[in-house]
Amino acid sequence: QVQLVQSGAEVKKPGASVKVSCKVSGYTLTELSMHWVRQAPGKGLEWMGHFDPEDAKAVYAQKFQGRVTLTDDTSTDTVNMELTSLRSEDTAIYYCATEKRDCSHGVCRIIFDYWGQGTLVTVSS
Amino acid sequence: DIQMTQSPSSLSASVGDRVTITCRASQSISTYLNWYQQKPGKAPNLLIYAASSLQSGVPSRFSGSGSGTDFTLTISSLQPEDFATYYCQQSYNIPRAFGQGTKVEIK
Repeated sequence: QVQLVQSGAEVKKPGASVKVSCKVSGYTLTELSMHWVRQAPGKGLEWMGHFDPEDAKAVYAQKFQGRVTLTDDTSTDTVNMELTSLRSEDTAIYYCATEKRDCSHGVCRIIFDYWGQGTLVTVSS
Repeated sequence: DIQMTQSPSSLSASVGDRVTITCRASQSISTYLNWYQQKPGKAPNLLIYAASSLQSGVPSRFSGSGSGTDFTLTISSLQPEDFATYYCQQSYNIPRAFGQGTKVEIK
């Protein structure tokens, strides 16, 4: 059973950066495919990026290109999401999620199966 | 990038009603379509994967259909615990876009 435990809530000023961590337990980090999703207050889910710990490569949503960086620390089984140049519109709950892929009898399942508890990031002057 | 469009954005229904939510992809995604349910203050929970396969543990009143660009989530008889927001998500490629959500409220 995978557990994802995220770091605590943050309050930041506009222009600052924030780093949210996601600690994995119950699985080896390099065996997991990690995604980050955010949700602004009262809004929908927004995919931010994907990190593959096996090759340490990240892919980002075009909207966040140049502002978001996903990294890992295999010594602590943690994946980190750093967002820079924060603005008020970045106020949101940030989630990490693992992706599972398997195929059986011609049906392929590619799903976000485990989620962190979410980290509220508030950007306010 | 593939865009996902859900409709309606919200609906009001009564316990026992049949509810249908639609999701359209901006290009064909075969059956790489998932449905999630989200309740306030909680992370999303998977209901349906590969357009029509019921995730283990999910009640059979939930069903999904469709392929290509048009998909449907149906709740055959709405229960009190089903009042929530529902999202479709494409798993055909990266970025893993979500629909904008459909909020199901009590009439």
